Amino acid sequence: ILNVEQSPQSLHVQEGDSTNFTCSFPSSNFYALHWYRWETAKSPEALFVMTLNGDEKKKGRISATLNTKEGYSYLYIKGSQPEDSATYLCAFFQTGANNLFFGTGTRLTVIP
Amino acid sequence: GAGVSQSPRYKVAKRGQDVALRCDPISGHVSLFWYQQALGQGPEFLTYFQNEAQLDKSGLPSDRFFAERPEGSVSTLKIQRTQQEDSAVYLCASSLLAHTEAFFGQGTRLTVV
Repeated sequence: ILNVEQSPQSLHVQEGDSTNFTCSFPSSNFYALHWYRWETAKSPEALFVMTLNGDEKKKGRISATLNTKEGYSYLYIKGSQPEDSATYLCAFFQTGANNLFFGTGTRLTVIP
Repeated sequence: GAGVSQSPRYKVAKRGQDVALRCDPISGHVSLFWYQQALGQGPEFLTYFQNEAQLDKSGLPSDRFFAERPEGSVSTLKIQRTQQEDSAVYLCASSLLAHTEAFFGQGTRLTVV
């Protein structure tokens, strides 16, 4: 079992604030890092799949960066909106493995 | 269908009862995963199929858990003699390849009473 850690565990922000959270993973045998958004009563949905060190991906107000040498990824949300409220999961895929290892998630609540 | 479908959405089982959870993956997806999510935790890996072959079952918590995907499409996760600690959301996901984007079903919430 690989150790994938996310912080903070939960976060409350005011509408309009920007925020970020962290995913830490083993730096050896890196293959891919995924970010998923999981809204209540829905399925987790992929935000980003990142494979290259230094990769930076963006989708609307959400962006992510990746540092495979030190084993971390940041997810940024600019100008948070109530609809951004969800649990954000990161998942790590290691070379030679068969499955994604998930972190415990960061639960974001955006207060109108 | 267009997405991953799981049934039932909710299941209440009496302790000791056997249950079967079904997953219909996206057509053509080679990889299929089962995850268990306990309250307040992230999804934890149970088992992985590549087509009909179960390549990894290292996450199955006990020999009461059994999964199959006999024709390389629909998968069933069976739990025998359910215990209270089996109460969780069981998520199924499929992907084209093991490391590519996973598409999740809505999960089956199992409550053992």
